Amino acid sequence: DIQMTQSPSSLSASVGDRVTITCRASQGISNYLAWYQQKPGKVPKLLIYAASTLHSGVPSRFSGSGSGTDFTLTISSLQPEDVASYYCQKYNSAPITFGQGTRLEIK
Amino acid sequence: QVQLQESGPGLVKPSETLSLTCTVSGGSISSYYWNWIRQPAGKGLEWIGRVYFSGSTNYNSSLKSRVTMSVDTSKNQFSLKLSSVTAADTAVYYCARGAVAHAMDVWGQGTTVTVSS
Repeated sequence: DIQMTQSPSSLSASVGDRVTITCRASQGISNYLAWYQQKPGKVPKLLIYAASTLHSGVPSRFSGSGSGTDFTLTISSLQPEDVASYYCQKYNSAPITFGQGTRLEIK
Repeated sequence: QVQLQESGPGLVKPSETLSLTCTVSGGSISSYYWNWIRQPAGKGLEWIGRVYFSGSTNYNSSLKSRVTMSVDTSKNQFSLKLSSVTAADTAVYYCARGAVAHAMDVWGQGTTVTVSS
């Protein structure tokens, strides 16, 4: 099975900061990479699919990039409402796997 | 818009079978993969498996021996059965719509299942 490894596992940044989370696949997955945001006590929400396509309604400060094995989620200017855990996911074929998650906090 | 709603017992005894149903409203169950994901308290997301509208299935290899998924297109529902449960199966269980075109774009609200005697 393809493993997804995220880094860092936790992150603290200030409002307005540029934040980057990385995700590495153990084998190439083309661009079949999604990012999800899960706020405390809430349901995960799709942010980005196909590595860089913003899901409907997602603020433009979120962006994704990468292909093959290395991917990045970037928040261009961190907002208080972005406090959440973020998960990458490879979804091109079964088994579907998630990264272990990155917890993002505000300094 | 499409909405998903999980239903089923919130408490299951050890060694018994966990059974959950996800009802799809506002859209058809056809042409998508229908997934089950779980999340133990304070931990990450674990994909359990998926069922296609045709009935074909894929499961997480670590759970495959205990998982059965099915779909009922007439009721716009799909189901999860997890047998021989233990305390390690205690989690919030989510259903989610998936497609290769757009990953998992619609999720249910989640249902908490506790395994305890």
